[in-house]
Amino acid sequence: AQKITQTQPGMFVQEKEAVTLDCTYDTSDPSYGLFWYKQPSSGEMIFLIYQGSYDQQNATEGRYSLNFQKARKSANLVISASQLGDSAMYFCAMREGMKTSYDKVIFGPGTSLSVIP
Amino acid sequence: EPEVTQTPSHQVTQMGQEVILRCVPISNHLYFYWYRQILGQKVEFLVSFYNNEISEKSEIFDDQFSVERPDGSNFTLKIRSTKLEDSAMYFCASSEGASFYNEQFFGPGTRLTVL
Repeated sequence: AQKITQTQPGMFVQEKEAVTLDCTYDTSDPSYGLFWYKQPSSGEMIFLIYQGSYDQQNATEGRYSLNFQKARKSANLVISASQLGDSAMYFCAMREGMKTSYDKVIFGPGTSLSVIP
Repeated sequence: EPEVTQTPSHQVTQMGQEVILRCVPISNHLYFYWYRQILGQKVEFLVSFYNNEISEKSEIFDDQFSVERPDGSNFTLKIRSTKLEDSAMYFCASSEGASFYNEQFFGPGTRLTVL
């Protein structure tokens, strides 16, 4: 079963508009962390934002914010005021707290975002 | 700001050859990882390494793969006899801790092309 689902393979957004990238996850562990990474065409993996399962407030980092709905198991990334440089692949990822899964980060399939001038 | 570095950025090899991908994790980090991303696909976990031994590995990480921390700074992934399907981007990552709230810092990746 998929642990991380990103239902939007590709998205377009007008420059300066806001965009929401969807992510749902599946875990039975009460302790987990959710991460969003950006991968531009050059290939590197850039960390954007983190949300912990016990965090009371939604995470924000500059133009990035995370709409965390724990009961629905969703962690959508919101990018405000899109810029051309935001065109990239975006991955939602999770790290679970169980001892047997302490190590790895599980990635979703990604969403390709294109910002249109 | 400290960062994970990887060399080479691109490696081309013939099928059946051995390759070694090198990584220098962030200096105070204790946990090290390799991931792979086949072109157009999602990032997949290969192996994690702590205290000079493998702590977890995926089903992808078979006998042709090995990891090593030969000195205090380098962390290597060796593929003994490369196959065409090993062509991928390989990411090294490191982390201060193994808890769910610890971010894994990724290197820029090595693009491996097997001909």
